[in-house]
Amino acid sequence: AQTVTQSQPEMSVQEAETVTLSCTYDTSENNYYLFWYKQPPSRQMILVIRQEAYKQQNATENRFSVNFQKAAKSFSLKISDSQLGDTAMYFCAFMKLTAGGGADGLTFGKGTHLIIQP
Amino acid sequence: DGGITQSPKYLFRKEGQNVTLSCEQNLNHDAMYWYRQDPGQGLRLIYYSQIVNDFQKGDIAEGYSVSREKKESFPLTVTSAQKNPTAFYLCASSSLWLAGTNQETQYFGPGTRLLVL
Repeated sequence: AQTVTQSQPEMSVQEAETVTLSCTYDTSENNYYLFWYKQPPSRQMILVIRQEAYKQQNATENRFSVNFQKAAKSFSLKISDSQLGDTAMYFCAFMKLTAGGGADGLTFGKGTHLIIQP
Repeated sequence: DGGITQSPKYLFRKEGQNVTLSCEQNLNHDAMYWYRQDPGQGLRLIYYSQIVNDFQKGDIAEGYSVSREKKESFPLTVTSAQKNPTAFYLCASSSLWLAGTNQETQYFGPGTRLLVL
């Protein structure tokens, strides 16, 4: 079984600052994907960024980037030039890939509540 | 518009009652999932289905049942055996994965809040 740990229950930064959210995971699998999802007060889960474990290059999506350290089983999210709209819960998630194109579902961490102060 | 719909938005359950949460998608996705979210917690997998007429238990399946009679629909029944059903329930769907295509990414519906009277 996989576990995902987010060690920062809450973080607060000033608008325009850079913030890094940490995530570590434990697995014996070699083929997997990692995700960061954002959940604003509306409670809609929104995909922020994804990383394939077989890729060494870190994923980036505009102001969002990850630092994926496969050997250390670490997957942190960096948000640059933070904006008020970034205020939300952020969840790190792990997905094991199975033969034949399937997936067993996501394993989530408990989340980090990020607050962007004006 | 393509997407995932869940209904109702709020649902109230009486003691001993079974209730069913609806999840429909028009994204032509093969796989569908149900998750439960408790306050201050991440999401936990209840059931998932990768193909019509087949489904698997997730980490917390006890007290829940599902069916997958159509590709577009994956209803979740919360039975009277589920002693602590109050939670936020999220449905998700995805295609089966092909490396590098983003098809396996899960997309979520807006959720159903279940409360016990």
